[in-house]
Amino acid sequence: DTGVSQDPRHKITKRGQNVTFRCDPISEHNRLYWYRQTLGQGPEFLTYFQNEAQLEKSRLLSDRFSAERPKGSFSTLEIQRTEQGDSAMYLCASSLEWVKNEQFFGPGTRLTVL
Amino acid sequence: KNEVEQSPQNLTAQEGEFITINCSYSVGISALHWLQQHPGGGIVSLFMLSSGKKKHGRLIATINIQEKHSSLHITASHPRDSAVYICAVANRDDKIIFGKGTRLHILP
Repeated sequence: DTGVSQDPRHKITKRGQNVTFRCDPISEHNRLYWYRQTLGQGPEFLTYFQNEAQLEKSRLLSDRFSAERPKGSFSTLEIQRTEQGDSAMYLCASSLEWVKNEQFFGPGTRLTVL
Repeated sequence: KNEVEQSPQNLTAQEGEFITINCSYSVGISALHWLQQHPGGGIVSLFMLSSGKKKHGRLIATINIQEKHSSLHITASHPRDSAVYICAVANRDDKIIFGKGTRLHILP
């Protein structure tokens, strides 16, 4: 296992389009987190899963955002009707439940909305 | 006021210099992380601390729980150390709160 992977690494889209990102966590990790990072800022929490259950969502996650982890392995983050303000780096991290403070980060997906 | 504050925001130094990046936090924590982020975005975890001091190669991280302060030191800095260094704390609810990062540029 080579760590947390994310796909795509870069996405450029036009305002109003839908986009979907994928995260593959480290295989034995049952917790998966999504963060958003805008330019010059630290990452901000969006949501997290324990296995397939989405346990918490940030207020940052508007109705246009939805995340799934259907089989408790990979996760997808979809943004509908993208806006220019959605342009950011979307980071995924995973951890073991009992070592939940030690999160391993993926390389991120950089989204640019034109 | 942010719950995690880092200083300086930007730091440029010559190769070989001793580097110190500071992090102060205002919440009760169960752990503190130092992370490194290179251009292109990928984040690498450098240290996770709950007390004392840790060393890995040329990197040293310290934490003072009473003062709610941590420092990351780089000895004999090198241009490949150029990156953004992020301090992040895990609060009592196990939420990770990130600082804004310190952009370090080491000149050859």
